[in-house]
This record gives sequence, C-alpha cells and structure tokens, in this order.
Amino acid sequence: SQTIHQWPATLVQPVGSPLSLECTVEGTSNPNLYWYRQAAGRGLQLLFYSVGIGQISSEVPQNLSASRPQDRQFILSSKKLLLSDSGFYLCAWRRLIEQFFGPGTRLTVL
Amino acid sequence: QQQVKQSPQSLIVQKGGISIINCAYENTAFDYFPWYQQFPGKGPALLIAIRPDVSEKKEGRFTISFNKSAKQFSLHIMDSQPGDSATYFCAAIQGAQKLVFGQGTRLTINP
Repeated sequence: SQTIHQWPATLVQPVGSPLSLECTVEGTSNPNLYWYRQAAGRGLQLLFYSVGIGQISSEVPQNLSASRPQDRQFILSSKKLLLSDSGFYLCAWRRLIEQFFGPGTRLTVL
Repeated sequence: QQQVKQSPQSLIVQKGGISIINCAYENTAFDYFPWYQQFPGKGPALLIAIRPDVSEKKEGRFTISFNKSAKQFSLHIMDSQPGDSATYFCAAIQGAQKLVFGQGTRLTINP
C-alpha cells in the first residue's frame, strides 16, 4: 500500500532563517506530488506541484521554492522565512484521479 | 470558472441530526467530485467521491447528492455523531488537471 511521510511534524523557526520540509511517498512510482499551505481556520492553498523529477510548477509567487530530487521525494524550501510563512504545510500525491494527503507539518515563524 | 463555492462556512448540528454541506461549481468539464474530512492537526482524508453520471452515492452514514443541471453537489451526514466534528472540503477536478477545493466547512456535532 502507498504511504506518504512528512517531516518534521512541527517546526518553530525565527524570521529570516532557512526552511526545508521533506515529503516522501512509498509504494508507488512517478506520482504527481503537491505542496499545499493551510492558514489557521482557512482553506487549502496550492503552492507547487510536480509531475516528475526536476519538474516543478509554481502556483503562487512567494518566498518559497520546491524541488524534486528523486521520484518519490518532494522538498519545500525557503532561504529566509517571513512571519506570513507560518501555517500548516501539506504534501499530497495523486493516483489517477484520487489525491491523498500526508500528515502535515506545523510551521510557526516567530 | 475554476472555483468551487462551499457553504456554510460553519455548521452546528445536534447529535443524531442530519448535517448538510453544499457546493456549487461553474466548470461543466469537471468529471470527479471528492469530499475530504480533516480533523484538527491532521491532513485531509478522502471521505467519499462521485462522478457526474450518477445522482447519488452512499457510503455508510455519508451520502453525496449530485445535481448536474444545477451544477451543485452536497454531502449529507445521517445520524451525525460527535466524532464527525471536523472540517469538510468539497473539491472538483477535470481529468488530469489540479483539484479545485471549496473553502471548507467547520462542522460541530453537539452531544
């Protein structure tokens, strides 16, 4: 069966520090991968998606970037965090038309 | 045209009652409509989904009703329980395109 992992589960970072969130998927190959951000009590904002290694599409211009160095690995990064980067970051993968989410990373920028 | 509008934003239902969440869309090319359930601090989980060629799909206490002519679909939770308290998202997708999510409904079931 397929499993999606995200780490860390929670993170507290100072403003201006770098960021690296990792997502890995097990049990499938060449999945479509997605990064979403969810602000407190709000909906799901698509940040990036990838259909293959090295292929990244950005949905919203911002302080973040994404990379896909391996088939089942998706990384969300920032060189300098802003207060507004705080939120719940969700990775997702897609099989045909069904999309499945990871457990999420809670990021707090102070 | 790519939006999915969801209502209400929040909903309080008594235990044993019926919870109803509504969504509307404009893009008639959408061909798959999933609902997701999200508990606090967790990622959304796929709950139930429907294609536009059927008007209703039922799984346990959860039912999707689909009205193609009105471009609306809704989630009904029968005999609502406190454990159903969560945020629910409707979504729509066309083929290999990206999922379009509604804004979410925070459901609270009072015991």
